Amino acid sequence: ETGVTQSPTHLIKTRGQQVTLRCSSQSGHNTVSWYQQALGQGPQFIFQYYREEENGRGNFPPRFSGLQFPNYSSELNVNALELDDSALYLCASSLEGWGGRAKTQYFGPGTRLLVL
Amino acid sequence: AQSVTQPDIHITVSEGASLELRCNYSYGATPYLFWYVQSPGQGLQLLLKYFSGDTLVQGIKGFEAEFKRSQSSFNLRKPSVHWSDAAEYFCAVGPKTSYDKVIFGPGTSLSVIP
Repeated sequence: ETGVTQSPTHLIKTRGQQVTLRCSSQSGHNTVSWYQQALGQGPQFIFQYYREEENGRGNFPPRFSGLQFPNYSSELNVNALELDDSALYLCASSLEGWGGRAKTQYFGPGTRLLVL
Repeated sequence: AQSVTQPDIHITVSEGASLELRCNYSYGATPYLFWYVQSPGQGLQLLLKYFSGDTLVQGIKGFEAEFKRSQSSFNLRKPSVHWSDAAEYFCAVGPKTSYDKVIFGPGTSLSVIP
């Protein structure tokens, strides 16, 4: 158990809808990263939030957006859902210093999203 | 281009046998290296990591990995596999100052025969 929780565990949406996924960081961690893991593939980095600001982004379109709250929990929002957005969405928390050494990430169990 | 290759999509071993999972990477500088394990329906659990120093790294659950700079490899090993080791294994590389370019390999699925 890493202490990172995600909700919901499963979600079914239709094409064109919007979805919000939630992540609660491990206690004391100030950084959250989100990953998309398509079936049979490794996770792909979406973006990272450090102290409520986006701190890096992967190759994902703007309809993927996020928030980090003062308690360091986080949301991933996806607008205009497409069939290819069906995947396991993982969040990972870590304790980072600004521009400092990378630290170990701890992953949550993920939210499985199915877009019909 | 930065990339991680795991040449074996699927491996089957007998319980008690030794295991080696291969990982090769392409990266501009010496990266941080990780191995994660993912059981069905679960998130990723960190097995071990290499940041610097001794190139043979010990991890949890009896796993170890060896960093070979000349071969750009970071292979995962375990001397005796248990049935509970059946899972998906991911190798990952990342830069030394940020997590914004962590790259995961495609994974190797491990089956264990009792």
